[in-house]
Amino acid sequence: EVQLVETGGGLVQPGGSLRLSCAASGFTFSNYWMSWVRQAPGKGLEWLAKIKQDGSEKYYVDSVKGRFTISRDNAQKSLYLQMNSLRAEDSAVYYCARDLCGALTCAGYDAFDIWGQGTIITVSS
Amino acid sequence: DIVMTQSPDSLAVSLGERATINCKSSQSVLYNSNNKNYFAWYQQKPGQPPKLLFYSASTRASGVPDRFSGSGSGTDFTLTISSLQAEDVAVYYCQQYYTNTRTFGQGTKVEIK
Repeated sequence: EVQLVETGGGLVQPGGSLRLSCAASGFTFSNYWMSWVRQAPGKGLEWLAKIKQDGSEKYYVDSVKGRFTISRDNAQKSLYLQMNSLRAEDSAVYYCARDLCGALTCAGYDAFDIWGQGTIITVSS
Repeated sequence: DIVMTQSPDSLAVSLGERATINCKSSQSVLYNSNNKNYFAWYQQKPGQPPKLLFYSASTRASGVPDRFSGSGSGTDFTLTISSLQAEDVAVYYCQQYYTNTRTFGQGTKVEIK
């Protein structure tokens, strides 16, 4: 079964750090661009970052640039999001998501066909 | 960044009736070299992650019932549910993936009247 499972969420104080993980199974992880997307309570979806199959290219939304870092370990079939200088407005459900295109020739412009169930981050003192 | 604007924000439709959601992008998401729209629709039910409905504006994702249809090109797109079923109650999001920074619409909540 194709699956993504996020872990690492929890309660963190403002200014603190957290590292999220996303474990992939059931597909060739190293063939896919991967992204992180978040959803604040009662709000819409916000794309945060994406990373190329080999990790050589990374892109971020302005609101997290310089604070969040996306990375991956293809040997471990895992995606990560290092989050620093956390703010109350970063409180959300964080999803990892897979691009639809699964070939090394894919350019990173695609819809998301597989999503994890999400992990909840609460930033509060 | 490309801004995606959905309308309406919410709508209530009777069971078996048609539901129509619109999405407008602030710039074209049609890639001229391959004539594909870099545009998708998602469905999100409470407590669940989003589910892909359509990509390339009108290509139905695997397992999506044919009462759902996607149309449009360039900057204007439409998601239609031809005969609303109870299980279609959800929030629907549009998304562009034309640029490296992908953006979503604000969502449209569909309820039963």
